[in-house]
Amino acid sequence: DVKVTQSSRYLVKRTGEKVFLECVQDMDHENMFWYRQDPGLGLRLIYFSYDVKMKEKGDIPEGYSVSREKKERFSLILESASTNQTSMYLCASWAGLAGDSRYEQYFGPGTRLTVT
Amino acid sequence: LAKTTQPISMDSYEGQEVNITCSHNNIATNDYITWYQQFPSQGPRFIIQGYKTKVTNEVASLFIPADRKSSTLSLPRVSLSDTAVYYCLVVLFSGGYQKVTFGTGTKLQVIP
Repeated sequence: DVKVTQSSRYLVKRTGEKVFLECVQDMDHENMFWYRQDPGLGLRLIYFSYDVKMKEKGDIPEGYSVSREKKERFSLILESASTNQTSMYLCASWAGLAGDSRYEQYFGPGTRLTVT
Repeated sequence: LAKTTQPISMDSYEGQEVNITCSHNNIATNDYITWYQQFPSQGPRFIIQGYKTKVTNEVASLFIPADRKSSTLSLPRVSLSDTAVYYCLVVLFSGGYQKVTFGTGTKLQVIP
């Protein structure tokens, strides 16, 4: 079974702090994603990465950056946390289209971040 | 990316078949359709994907008409444990990676 883990289930930070959210997958997947989920807005893509050190902006990258130094780890960074970044953050990974050609993304359990 | 539209919520009694329809009028030739299920406090879980006609797996069926402007997820004989939010996605595959947009999903409530 693919396992995607996130460093924290719950996190409380103060406005202006630098925040690191870590995601690790154990299936050697090429692609990793960061989403945020807010009531009434569904999941929105922040950033994704298709290889080590490679990244692409998603739909809402402002206020965030990412780092992928190793294949299994994808970090989301809030440079200066603000209250409007209070949200559920979900990480996902995808194997790519080799093999059975499935577009299945595997999600972690999420990190509920509160910025006060 | 093609935008998807699906009902906000649906109710169904246990044991009934549930059909959730999603419209994606601007789907492109190479796009695929996928569906995910999400329980509270969990990440979404992949259910099924398709390109056209009908796909069936152990969990659900997916019907896609010839024009591909809509798709219908069919859940046979639902139980209380099927209460969840269901997301329809159109997958853009370009340059070796996929990009998707999750809509707001359909909240399915199964009633005893």
